[in-house]
Amino acid sequence: NAGVTQTPKFRVLKTGQSMTLLCAQDMNHEYMYWYRQDPGMGLRLIHYSVGEGTTAKGEVPDGYNVSRLKKQNFLLGLESAAPSQTSVYFCASSGPNGGTDTQYFGPGTRLTVL
Amino acid sequence: AQSVAQPEDQVNVAEGNPLTVKCTYSVSGNPYLFWYVQYPNRGLQFLLKYITGDNLVKGSYGFEAEFNKSQTSFHLKKPSALVSDSALYFCAVERGNEKLTFGTGTRLTIIP
Repeated sequence: NAGVTQTPKFRVLKTGQSMTLLCAQDMNHEYMYWYRQDPGMGLRLIHYSVGEGTTAKGEVPDGYNVSRLKKQNFLLGLESAAPSQTSVYFCASSGPNGGTDTQYFGPGTRLTVL
Repeated sequence: AQSVAQPEDQVNVAEGNPLTVKCTYSVSGNPYLFWYVQYPNRGLQFLLKYITGDNLVKGSYGFEAEFNKSQTSFHLKKPSALVSDSALYFCAVERGNEKLTFGTGTRLTIIP
């Protein structure tokens, strides 16, 4: 099993450009999450999904959109990138018990917005 | 709102000594508590969790944590530190809303 994978690993964007980050999991997990990690701030939840076709806002959703068209995939979109979105982005997934289940994390995507 | 605090940004411990990484939480009701570890340029890895039951929880790599309800703490401990334990450690809390709230992290450095 590959677990949770993220594509791409690195990306540099110019302000105003758009991009999509792909997260894929092969554990048949119901829940999927997108976080951003910034120095001194820990991980903050952007959006999450409790199942195929569902999405919900997390702590810092502004400037991001998500889609969960297939159970195994969770996409994070930036429509018009801003320098404040420079960060490391992590995807995670967990089983049907939601908050009490262990979250499994991908390796991260390092995004720089110039 | 639920929150978690890791009061120490950095902890240095000599190899072979016991280590403690501190975590306190604030939630209404009974918390679900987690510890995760992050090695350089990697995603987070699960170490252990407290859901209910015994207050002393044992996890991966010889780590354990003690849930203390009266002090609202969930400190991570290991009796004998290894250089390979050097990493960034995150405490997290969940209280029935499907979402984890993470602390800001503690960088643990084990000195040979």
